Amino acid sequence: GNSVTQMEGPVTLSEEAFLTINCTYTATGYPSLFWYVQYPGEGLQLLLKATKADDKGSNKGFEATYRKETTSFHLEKGSVQVSDSAVYFCALSDRGGSEKLVFGKGTKLTVNP
Amino acid sequence: NAGVMQNPRHLVRRRGQEARLRCSPMKGHSHVYWYRQLPEEGLKFMVYLQKENIIDESGMPKERFSAEFPKEGPSILRIQQVVRGDSAAYFCASSPNPSGSGNTIYFGEGSWLTVV
Repeated sequence: GNSVTQMEGPVTLSEEAFLTINCTYTATGYPSLFWYVQYPGEGLQLLLKATKADDKGSNKGFEATYRKETTSFHLEKGSVQVSDSAVYFCALSDRGGSEKLVFGKGTKLTVNP
Repeated sequence: NAGVMQNPRHLVRRRGQEARLRCSPMKGHSHVYWYRQLPEEGLKFMVYLQKENIIDESGMPKERFSAEFPKEGPSILRIQQVVRGDSAAYFCASSPNPSGSGNTIYFGEGSWLTVV
């Protein structure tokens, strides 16, 4: 079945550090890939997405590239801020984004000033 | 355009009581999904509904849990005879009609159920 494996946290960084959160997936067919962010006490917000191989999703300084050859969708940001502290979830959808999502376990990021 | 609306945000129930969680999808969205987030874990799919139809309930526990999305009104997730293990955050999400080209699912802010 489909699955998502995410880098385990927690991750603690200093402000302006470089961030990478690894995500790999197993899926049949050609899934869409997503990163969601959950701030403390809130619901999930879509951060970025990519729907086909070599697509790059980007938003708020975050980027992730859909790599079919390595079945990966790693999240990166060049310079994190304290306000980026949250839990980040990698997810896939195996029917073009309109069907159920399969989530990774989440990676908690804490950014210190 | 209001987002996905869930209520209540927080609900406390004693063991054996019933919990009802409500979800109004975004305007124009006819597909609703329910997910459960247990403490320190990711979200797990529970059920996928369209108006008056359950499309996929493969993630629903076999007993005590039910979901509906009537022709009028919000989607309801109902948990009967709650137990402590039902304590979790329950998230609703919605999407427009599927086009097969990467529609995004939008999440509500969640309903936190605590069973005491």
